Amino acid sequence: EPEVTQTPSHQVTQMGQEVILRCVPISNHLYFYWYRQILGQKVEFLVSFYNNEISEKSEIFDDQFSVERPDGSNFTLKIRSTKLEDSAMYFCASSEAYGGGEKLFFGSGTQLSVL
Amino acid sequence: GENVEQHPSTLSVQEGDSAVIKCTYSDSASNYFPWYKQELGKGPQLIIDIRSNVGEKKDQRIAVTLNKTAKHFSLHITETQPEDSAVYFCAASASGGSYIPTFGRGTSLIVHP
Repeated sequence: EPEVTQTPSHQVTQMGQEVILRCVPISNHLYFYWYRQILGQKVEFLVSFYNNEISEKSEIFDDQFSVERPDGSNFTLKIRSTKLEDSAMYFCASSEAYGGGEKLFFGSGTQLSVL
Repeated sequence: GENVEQHPSTLSVQEGDSAVIKCTYSDSASNYFPWYKQELGKGPQLIIDIRSNVGEKKDQRIAVTLNKTAKHFSLHITETQPEDSAVYFCAASASGGSYIPTFGRGTSLIVHP
């Protein structure tokens, strides 16, 4: 069964450093998403991406965040200058279509720890 | 925007018992309600979903119910097994507005053998 893969599974970084989280969505999917989950809290939407541009983004997704599809398979989330409060599990997801009621397929997540 | 509340945060049952997880949502425009199961070390996986034009949907031991008037929906698992132990998330989204699913906080289900 096709799956979304994320690397690394764990990332430890110092406050102020840049991190790049990587995702390989399911190959025939066209829509990509990043979510995050701070320990004990809700799974929060960050951004959705289609056709090489952002479709929607939440208030969390401020100027320190950016997304990119650098090639035909990878989808990345960059955090420019990490803060302690960025520590969370980051999930990548993809879907075939977009428009409400679309099934999202999630990766296993990257646990980001900012020290 | 949409707000989804999920209860309980932890649910402990004996093998063979039933488990019920409840969610409420705030946006009356929401019309799609998926449930995800997250096992240890894995990402959330869709297990069942329901759309607003139906009140109940069943898939083997799993069922979801939806009450649009009250804006709540529930996941029912019957004859629970240890492999049902996981974190379960409900979500809501609207095809007419923001398509992005809003998730609940999650319920940690523990099934004791």
